[in-house]
Amino acid sequence: QKEVEQDPGPLSVPEGAIVSLNCTYSNSAFQYFMWYRQYSRKGPELLMYTYSSGNKEDGRFTAQVDKSSKYISLFIRDSQPSDSATYLCAMSGDSNYQLIWGAGTKLIIKP
Amino acid sequence: DAGVIQSPRHEVTEMGQEVTLRCKPISGHDYLFWYRQTMMRGLELLIYFNNNVPIDDSGMPEDRFSAKMPNASFSTLKIQPSEPRDSAVYFCASGYRDRGSLLGARRGYLKAFFGQGTRLTVV
Repeated sequence: QKEVEQDPGPLSVPEGAIVSLNCTYSNSAFQYFMWYRQYSRKGPELLMYTYSSGNKEDGRFTAQVDKSSKYISLFIRDSQPSDSATYLCAMSGDSNYQLIWGAGTKLIIKP
Repeated sequence: DAGVIQSPRHEVTEMGQEVTLRCKPISGHDYLFWYRQTMMRGLELLIYFNNNVPIDDSGMPEDRFSAKMPNASFSTLKIQPSEPRDSAVYFCASGYRDRGSLLGARRGYLKAFFGQGTRLTVV
């Protein structure tokens, strides 16, 4: 079993819909949780990060961490075609900086 | 800042040849990472440096792979000899520790910035 599980998709939704992207993990030592967005033929770029449990909001994006369930989510409100990309979750513990990555979910927003 | 700069962007080489990938990190960043991305295996960490010193190279597939960081502004990843199974997109990322507004975070998290990648094809 992988340390971080993420459904590769693709996930296809109409423009304007609320999108929910998720990752589950097995290592309870993970404290830092990040979401990266990767456009086709580009490198990943950091979208959001959270520490421990709770929610964090940034514009149309909300990151949520539930450590009791070992489950993290990224919500995108009012989704736009420009949000079409692969979204990767990544996480790490407090003892080192090696990020453990999910496989990435390919998101397609249909106009 | 121009961001992390990788060269070449594309490389096609024959099996058995030596391949050298280059990376210029963002100035001021003290961490540098080399990743490989494939459809089958996703994003894999190969090696990372802190202050130019290799910290963890456990992800390097085998002795054919080597990485150096002679100074804070340059790193190379070399494959010798190359094999078709090495075909992938290789990313370099640089970063720094950021505690930001993370109340209670003991050490902060690693804020990483990726380059555009080098698409390597070994035929």
